[in-house]
Amino acid sequence: NAGVMQNPRHLVRRRGQEARLRCSPMKGHSHVYWYRQLPEEGLKFMVYLQKENIIDESGMPKERFSAEFPKEGPSILRIQQVVRGDSAAYFCASSPERLEAFFGQGTRLTVV
Amino acid sequence: DQQVKQNSPSLSVQEGRISILNCDYTNSMFDYFLWYKKYPAEGPTFLISISSIKDKNEDGRFTVFLNKSAKHLSLHIVPSQPGDSAVYFCAGRVYYGGSQGNLIFGKGTKLSVKP
Repeated sequence: NAGVMQNPRHLVRRRGQEARLRCSPMKGHSHVYWYRQLPEEGLKFMVYLQKENIIDESGMPKERFSAEFPKEGPSILRIQQVVRGDSAAYFCASSPERLEAFFGQGTRLTVV
Repeated sequence: DQQVKQNSPSLSVQEGRISILNCDYTNSMFDYFLWYKKYPAEGPTFLISISSIKDKNEDGRFTVFLNKSAKHLSLHIVPSQPGDSAVYFCAGRVYYGGSQGNLIFGKGTKLSVKP
């Protein structure tokens, strides 16, 4: 059973481009979470999804950011018109219907 | 508004001694607390948890203590080993009902265990 898979591991985008981050949860896990870690900061919650549903998006910026977890395929975090301040490590976690969440290795987004 | 606070950004301990990592929280609705460990360039890995109705949970060298009246928890590592050097995140779980819950993390404490 593979762990949570995130790709790409590193992503470089120019200002104004779109960034797409993918997360394949562990097999059997129906809950997906996205977190962002800025330099010298902790993990900030962005969004919590179950299959085809957004449960809590209170941590998502109101503009340019969106997330989905379709019935088939990975969860996608999409950032439109990226700016330098979007540069961060983005972590995805998944959990079955119990307490602990398992994290992927993260995608490091650099906006140049 | 930081719901989970780890006020010590770093901690240095001698190998074999006890490491004590502290965490304070403000949200009374957390039903569980979890500790995660993170190495550079890797995702966090789950370490230990404690229910809000307990005051202690132990797993090998790791013990978590919860003082609910003070809204404070701590992670004790005894004895500390160089391989424990990592960033430790404290998290509280917001429970939505059913199987739904969400983790709110602190900023982390970087532990260095010196041989």
